[in-house]
Amino acid sequence: AQSVTQPDIHITVSEGASLELRCNYSYGATPYLFWYVQSPGQGLQLLLKYFSGDTLVQGIKGFEAEFKRSQSSFNLRKPSVHWSDAAEYFCAVAGGNNDMRFGAGTRLTVKP
Amino acid sequence: EPEVTQTPSHQVTQMGQEVILRCVPISNHLYFYWYRQILGQKVEFLVSFYNNEISEKSEIFDDQFSVERPDGSNFTLKIRSTKLEDSAMYFCARGTSGVANTGELFFGEGSRLTVL
Repeated sequence: AQSVTQPDIHITVSEGASLELRCNYSYGATPYLFWYVQSPGQGLQLLLKYFSGDTLVQGIKGFEAEFKRSQSSFNLRKPSVHWSDAAEYFCAVAGGNNDMRFGAGTRLTVKP
Repeated sequence: EPEVTQTPSHQVTQMGQEVILRCVPISNHLYFYWYRQILGQKVEFLVSFYNNEISEKSEIFDDQFSVERPDGSNFTLKIRSTKLEDSAMYFCARGTSGVANTGELFFGEGSRLTVL
């Protein structure tokens, strides 16, 4: 089955600084890739997704992610982080079957 | 307004008791999913449900668990005999035409289960 690894458990950045959250996936064919954000006590909200085509995808809240097949990666980026971006971020992968698998998550802390 | 409504928001139960978590999609969708998240851990896939039957399930989804959509609306997760390690947040999600087609799942706000 497909799987996702998020190497960073916790990242702290200063407000206004750039951000990159790492995600590596394992899947035998072309994956469907997603980033979700979870604020404390909330459900999961989709930030962006990749199916095919342009490997750089834009999402909500100024986030983008780049699919790199050669590296099996789908890293999430934002050029300037806002305090409201503090949350847990989950990378997820789906294949041709009917389920989505999540990574362990990266907790983002934003310093003022 | 959430796409999916889950009840209860929080349930406390004694070990060995049966628990039913409910999910009510606002629109008429065919694909449903249950995920769980143990405190501080990853979101884990439990089961997917399509056209009134299970389409995929994980190794976590053993005989203790069952799902059904008895009235064509509510989608329920039943845990027959709860264990301490079942304490988690349980998320229901719905998809429009399968994860592989639309790629997006709409999640409810979760039901927190505490087993004492």
